[in-house]
Amino acid sequence: GNSVTQMEGPVTLSEEAFLTINCTYTATGYPSLFWYVQYPGEGLQLLLKATKADDKGSNKGFEATYRKETTSFHLEKGSVQVSDSAVYFCAPPPGGTSYGKLTFGQGTILTVHP
Amino acid sequence: GAGVSQSPRYKVAKRGQDVALRCDPISGHVSLFWYQQALGQGPEFLTYFQNEAQLDKSGLPSDRFFAERPEGSVSTLKIQRTQQEDSAVYLCASSLVTGGLYTEAFFGQGTRLTVV
Repeated sequence: GNSVTQMEGPVTLSEEAFLTINCTYTATGYPSLFWYVQYPGEGLQLLLKATKADDKGSNKGFEATYRKETTSFHLEKGSVQVSDSAVYFCAPPPGGTSYGKLTFGQGTILTVHP
Repeated sequence: GAGVSQSPRYKVAKRGQDVALRCDPISGHVSLFWYQQALGQGPEFLTYFQNEAQLDKSGLPSDRFFAERPEGSVSTLKIQRTQQEDSAVYLCASSLVTGGLYTEAFFGQGTRLTVV
């Protein structure tokens, strides 16, 4: 089935620093890829998604490009804020399912200091 | 409602007690998922409903875990004879479509279960 390897954290940055969280995937075909974010005490929220190869997903200043040649979907932000402190999850839907079940890794904890 | 609602937000249970966790999905959402998230870990799939049908329960850790969605909307996750290892956040998610490349799951805030 499809799977991801996500950079483990924690990641600690100063405000306005550049952020990259690496995510590589193995998949049959080109499934949609997602980044979810979990703020402290909250459930998960979809941050961005890309539905096919070479697509770029973007939201709230975050971007990720679905690169089939490197099988990667790295999350980037040019200037992080304290409010971006959260846990970030890269997730593909497993291949072969018809209902979009998501498989999550441990996530990457991001802490941004003022 | 506007989003997925879960109740209670927090539950403390004595070991051996039965608990019931409720999920109100977004109105009209066909798919409903339950996940278990242990401290410091990512969510792990428990079970999936398509309307009232439970199509996948492969993630339920034991026969003490039971989920239902009798009318295809509200779902209840029941844990019998709770054990300390059941302590976790239980997340519910719903989505509008049953499959395809564009499925987006909307998550509730979760129920934090602590077994003492």
